[in-house]
Amino acid sequence: GQQVMQIPQYQHVQEGEDFTTYCNSSTTLSNIQWYKQRPGGHPVFLIQLVKSGEVKKQKRLTFQFGEAKKNSSLHITATQTTDVGTYFCRFTGGGNKLTFGTGTQLKVEL
Amino acid sequence: NAGVTQTPKFQVLKTGQSMTLQCAQDMNHNSMYWYRQDPGMGLRLIYYSASEGTTDKGEVPNGYNVSRLNKREFSLRLESAAPSQTSVYFCASIPTPGTGMGQPQHFGDGTRLSIL
Repeated sequence: GQQVMQIPQYQHVQEGEDFTTYCNSSTTLSNIQWYKQRPGGHPVFLIQLVKSGEVKKQKRLTFQFGEAKKNSSLHITATQTTDVGTYFCRFTGGGNKLTFGTGTQLKVEL
Repeated sequence: NAGVTQTPKFQVLKTGQSMTLQCAQDMNHNSMYWYRQDPGMGLRLIYYSASEGTTDKGEVPNGYNVSRLNKREFSLRLESAAPSQTSVYFCASIPTPGTGMGQPQHFGDGTRLSIL
């Protein structure tokens, strides 16, 4: 069956450092979405990637979809305390079965 | 706009008790989902309803039942609660089924359920 690994599980950074989380799939993905969940909150949609090799940016966040559409990354440049939270990738596990990666918890220290 | 509303927000149960978690959306969305979230496990899909009148199992359906009461409402029932079901439960919805092109999921605020 389809397996998607999200790494790392946790990341502690100093404010101003960069951060990257990765989702890696054993099969080709039709699309991938990224969500952010603040502590105590619910997941909030950030962006969707559909095309092979696609790169999208949102201010300090850069999202990439691999050429083979089997992996994706989220990179944050110069982290701030407002970036604290857990970042999830989400993909379609066949039909309407929307499945999330295990998430990467980001902590930012001053 | 209310979006996705979940009730209750918190609940404590004893082992063996039953309860129903309620979810309602006012966005006229077709598809609705129930997830549970445990530390380090991400969001795991319990059940989903692609459209009114249909329900399907997700990754972890055992111990749960669902009802798609109408287009707005999708409830999750624990018939005999177990400590392993202690978790945060999220309901989510998307406009239309068939997510090949992807649509953002809209989440409720969650129900924090503890089973003693």
